[in-house]
Amino acid sequence: EPEVTQTPSHQVTQMGQEVILRCVPISNHLYFYWYRQILGQKVEFLVSFYNNEISEKSEIFDDQFSVERPDGSNFTLKIRSTKLEDSAMYFCASSHPGQGDGYTFGSGTRLTVV
Amino acid sequence: GESVGLHLPTLSVQEGDNSIINCAYSNSASDYFIWYKQESGKGPQFIIDIRSNMDKRQGQRVTVLLNKTVKHLSLQIAATQPGDSAVYFCAENRVASYDKVIFGPGTSLSVIP
Repeated sequence: EPEVTQTPSHQVTQMGQEVILRCVPISNHLYFYWYRQILGQKVEFLVSFYNNEISEKSEIFDDQFSVERPDGSNFTLKIRSTKLEDSAMYFCASSHPGQGDGYTFGSGTRLTVV
Repeated sequence: GESVGLHLPTLSVQEGDNSIINCAYSNSASDYFIWYKQESGKGPQFIIDIRSNMDKRQGQRVTVLLNKTVKHLSLQIAATQPGDSAVYFCAENRVASYDKVIFGPGTSLSVIP
């Protein structure tokens, strides 16, 4: 079964450092997303990406965040200057119009900012 | 604003019993609803979905019911098993929009052997 792959599974970084979280969406999917989940809380939408541009973003997705699809397979989330409150699980997801299986999520990257 | 919420944050059931997890939504424009299961340390896993032109949909051991009149969604799990222990999220979207899925706060299901 096709999977969304995320790397690394766990990233520890110092406050103020830049981090890049990587995702490989399902190959025939057209829509890509990043969500985050602070420990014990619900999954929050960050950004959606389609046709090589952001289609929607939440208020969480401020100027410190950016996304990129540098090639035909990877989808990255960059946090320019991490803050303690950025510590969370970050999930990548992808979807395809017309496929009745919702959105497929990766296993997540646990980001710990110290 | 739009929001999706859950009535019960935790639910404990005996193995073999049926489980019912409830969800309320407030956005009348939502026409596509999804239930996800999240096990510890993993990402949300698709269970079942339903479009607003239906009021019931069945899968393997799971049934989703949609009541658009009161904006209520439920997930029924038949013959609950220990492997069903997880956090369950309902989520909503509009079929015409693939911009985002909005998640509810989640219900933790604990199955007692």
